[in-house]
Amino acid sequence: QKEVEQDPGPLSVPEGAIVSLNCTYSNSAFQYFMWYRQYSRKGPELLMYTYSSGNKEDGRFTAQVDKSSKYISLFIRDSQPSDSATYLCAMSPSGTYKYIFGTGTRLKVLA
Amino acid sequence: DADVTQTPRNRITKTGKRIMLECSQTKGHDRMYWYRQDPGLGLRLIYYSFDVKDINKGEISDGYSVSRQAQAKFSLSLESAIPNQTALYFCATSDGGRYEQYFGPGTRLTVT
Repeated sequence: QKEVEQDPGPLSVPEGAIVSLNCTYSNSAFQYFMWYRQYSRKGPELLMYTYSSGNKEDGRFTAQVDKSSKYISLFIRDSQPSDSATYLCAMSPSGTYKYIFGTGTRLKVLA
Repeated sequence: DADVTQTPRNRITKTGKRIMLECSQTKGHDRMYWYRQDPGLGLRLIYYSFDVKDINKGEISDGYSVSRQAQAKFSLSLESAIPNQTALYFCATSDGGRYEQYFGPGTRLTVT
């Protein structure tokens, strides 16, 4: 079993939809959680970063961490065709500064 | 100008050749990382360095070596390239004490 599991998709949604992207993990030591967006032939771009449990909102994006269920989510409101990309989750135990990445979910937002 | 740059962006090489991938950053970060990305496997850590005198192996370091020439420069070498090292390679940086990482644009390496 991988330490971090992420559905590869592709996930296709119409423009304006609310998108939910998720990762599950097995290591209870993970404390720092990140979401990256990766466009085709580009490097990952940091979107959201959260520590421990709870929610964090930034514009149309909300990151949610549920440590009791070992489950993290990224919600995208009012999705746009420009949101079409692969979304990677990443997580790290406290103090190690080493990251385990999910394999990424490919999202397509249809105009 | 990009904060994290990688050269070359694309490279095709033959089995057995030595190849070096270079990474430079202007973010002033002290920590630098090398990852490879393969379909279905995600990003995997090859080596990381927390300062110029600190080099650490990651998850998949066999067949690779690194050099931290300066705070801003971190190079990855494949001593004798093999076809299963064909992948997308990314350099990343982070600021000491912070968990956010910033990635370069990647190098697409093909070993024939």
